[in-house]
Amino acid sequence: AQKITQTQPGMFVQEKEAVTLDCTYDTSDQSYGLFWYKQPSSGEMIFLIYQGSYDEQNATEGRYSLNFQKARKSANLVISASQLGDSAMYFCAMRDPYNQGGKLIFGQGTELSVKP
Amino acid sequence: AAGVIQSPRHLIKEKRETATLKCYPIPRHDTVYWYQQGPGQDPQFLISFYEKMQSDKGSIPDRFSAQQFSDYHSELNMSSLELGDSALYFCASSNSGTSGGPLGLNTQYFGPGTRLTVL
Repeated sequence: AQKITQTQPGMFVQEKEAVTLDCTYDTSDQSYGLFWYKQPSSGEMIFLIYQGSYDEQNATEGRYSLNFQKARKSANLVISASQLGDSAMYFCAMRDPYNQGGKLIFGQGTELSVKP
Repeated sequence: AAGVIQSPRHLIKEKRETATLKCYPIPRHDTVYWYQQGPGQDPQFLISFYEKMQSDKGSIPDRFSAQQFSDYHSELNMSSLELGDSALYFCASSNSGTSGGPLGLNTQYFGPGTRLTVL
């Protein structure tokens, strides 16, 4: 069964610095997709970035990049130049590759606090 | 760009009452997912529909049912509500045709959620 693990319940970062949020996953499938979502205190889930298991390059989207290490089964999110608005809960998720429905399996989340 | 619409945004019910949550997916998205997020928890998958047919089922109580209609909107019906049903309910949608490209493998876009409180 697929599993996502986020070992950092909470993280602090100084404004304008970079921060790495850890995510490890467990799957026996060769084809899978990994996602990061941001959930501010207002509650909505905002898609940030995607990494496919066959993608040769790490995904990047603006200030977000994904440090994908397939052999280690890790997909860490790197946020550069942190802003106060980055304070939120961050979830790593994997798409279930075995079912056409493709549900997302989420990690426990990491709460990021950006200090001014 | 159009996003997923959910209604109502907030709902307060008494125990044993029923509730209906509605979801309008992004236009041309053919798959709808429902997730439940309890306080301090990660979202848990409930059920999904592809082209109006149920495609997967998670830990959805028998008291809950859902369907997707011909216009692709979906409704989650919840009966005999319990205190433990208090949660944030998300609907997400994706387009199964986007299996590649910059948006990746069937990226799911979430609605703002319906916050259900059962008293």
